[in-house]
Amino acid sequence: GAVVSQHPSWVICKSGTSVKIECRSLDFQATTMFWYRQFPKQSLMLMATSNEGSKATYEQGVEKDKFLINHASLTLSTLTVTSAHPEDSSFYICSARTFGPTTDTQYFGPGTRLTVL
Amino acid sequence: TQLLEQSPQFLSIQEGENLTVYCNSSSVFSSLQWYRQEPGEGPVLLVTVVTGGEVKKLKRLTFQFGDARKDSSLHITAAQPGDTGLYLCAGDNSGYSTLTFGKGTMLLVSP
Repeated sequence: GAVVSQHPSWVICKSGTSVKIECRSLDFQATTMFWYRQFPKQSLMLMATSNEGSKATYEQGVEKDKFLINHASLTLSTLTVTSAHPEDSSFYICSARTFGPTTDTQYFGPGTRLTVL
Repeated sequence: TQLLEQSPQFLSIQEGENLTVYCNSSSVFSSLQWYRQEPGEGPVLLVTVVTGGEVKKLKRLTFQFGDARKDSSLHITAAQPGDTGLYLCAGDNSGYSTLTFGKGTMLLVSP
């Protein structure tokens, strides 16, 4: 299957700083990528849909000025958590969508654990 | 809004037991995907079912897509500790840009 990478895999930062997380599709081009947030033992919560060359579409309740998304190329999307606070600590996962002849498939990155002190 | 109801939410069993996880919706999906996620990692795709009534087997795992493409099940035979993880079903509809996820089933298989 297709491979999606994320970097970094974990990050610890001080409150008030900004953190950038990268998501790359390694062996395919992804016009659409998605960013999720996951709390312990819970399912994935979609934060935003990232479209190459255009503005991201944010889900209701997600602050677009807080979580900046850039999808500058067909293989790279970035999520920047600005002025991070302890409540932003979470597991962030990206995914990229491939389009097939009969069905589409989403492949997920390994996730990034963010801890804000 | 499309919803996927997944059950049970938690399942703790002994090694060797069988189990079934259900994923139900009132909506029709063009396909349905099952993922397994281990702690601290991203979900890994197990299977995609596309055709109503389709059955797919992956070693000890059997996946079924309902005839009406509104529901799906995952059956694990003779569960092993390595099967422990969060199982997620996700429905795809070409009219939406992303998958609709169930809330997940946390499976713990004890030796």
